[in-house]
Parts: sequence; C-alpha cells; structure tokens
Amino acid sequence: DAGVIQSPRHEVTEMGQEVTLRCKPISGHNSLFWYRQTMMRGLELLIYFNNNVPIDDSGMPEDRFSAKMPNASFSTLKIQPSEPRDSAVYFCASSLVLWAGETRRQEAQYFGPGTRLLVL
Amino acid sequence: KQEVTQIPAALSVPEGENLVLNCSFTDSAIYNLQWFRQDPGKGLTSLLLIQSSQREQTSGRLNASLDKSSGRSTLYIAASQPGDSATYLCAVRGYGQNFVFGPGTRLSVLP
Repeated sequence: DAGVIQSPRHEVTEMGQEVTLRCKPISGHNSLFWYRQTMMRGLELLIYFNNNVPIDDSGMPEDRFSAKMPNASFSTLKIQPSEPRDSAVYFCASSLVLWAGETRRQEAQYFGPGTRLLVL
Repeated sequence: KQEVTQIPAALSVPEGENLVLNCSFTDSAIYNLQWFRQDPGKGLTSLLLIQSSQREQTSGRLNASLDKSSGRSTLYIAASQPGDSATYLCAVRGYGQNFVFGPGTRLSVLP
C-alpha cells in the first residue's frame, strides 16, 4: 500500500484565497483524521471521521475551516478565506477501528507526509 | 482535560547508549497510547501502539511501557544510532477518540 497520500505537499497562497487540502487514506481504513502542526501549538487534532461521517470537529479553529469526506477514499480540508495565521503543516492520518461484538479496538494511526501551507 | 507532558524536552547522547524517553498524562482513562517519531520537515511515523490493556510493546530496538495507574509511559531505545535522531512524540487516545499529543522530545545521537 502507498500509505496515506496528501496533496499538495506545499502550498503558498495570498491572504483571502481559498485553500483546499486533499487526503487519500489507506485502503480499508475506516477512520480519518486531520491535524495541524505549528511551532507554537504543536500538533492539534482538527476533525476526525468514522465511516465517512464527521464525529468530532471541535478542534476546527473557526468557520473558515471545513472538512468533507464524500467517500471512503477521499477527504478534503478547506480554508476560505485563508489568513496568515493559518500557516502550518496539515497532516492527514487514517486508522482502522475493529469491532468484535461490543468490544472496540483502535488500531495505529498512519500519517501522511503533510501539506506545508504558507499564507502571505 | 487530558494533558500530556514529555521529559526531557531535548536529549543529546553518544552513539551506542541506551536511553529512556518519558511521557506523562493526567487522565488515566485512556484507550491507547502511541509513540511517533518525526524527522525534520516530514510527517509522523508510528513506532509503537500500546492498548490500555497492555503493559508494553516491543519493536526491534524499541520498547514502550505503559503504567496507566501512574499516568506514565516510557520509550526505551537500545544501542542508539545517529539515524535515531528525531523528535519523539507520545499521543494519548481517550475513549471519545480525542487524541492528545505531548510536546515531544528532540533526540540527537552523536556519532
């Protein structure tokens, strides 16, 4: 498997522009996560999906951020309009949640290489 | 609210030494704990995942332990190599899938 794929790897844009980040999770994984990493705040979970459904978006900083997962193999994180303080590395990760009866087991998360975003 | 700390913040050791990285968390009601490494400018690489019912996991020269009652995990690296130089992060998963990362330990292994 190619692992988690993210695009673009680098994005430079001007303040006010729309930015769309893309993620392809590992085939067969049923959970997908979006993270943001900055020097000041470290790694932060923005939102995660289970079976394509957003479960918790409490980490999304504000209404300018939105995420979708139209199918099991694709997700987007959109920032509109972008601001300089959005500059960060954005990671996508996927994992597998298994159920055995009523017992839930969370497998390891696998991270993509990240998208380095710079908003001027 | 779960808080995760890592000690030390930075560590520099000569090649060949065995070393221990520490991770502490405030809420022992965790689902699992994961150790990652991050190389400069790159994404995270998962190293070891410990489920809450487990006490340790091993992979090659790495061994991670978990003591939920004391809110601690350690990552033991045996016979360190320059290629081990990276930032090591621990992350704790709560039952609501909230996932909290520590600030990381920056490791330098000198040849």
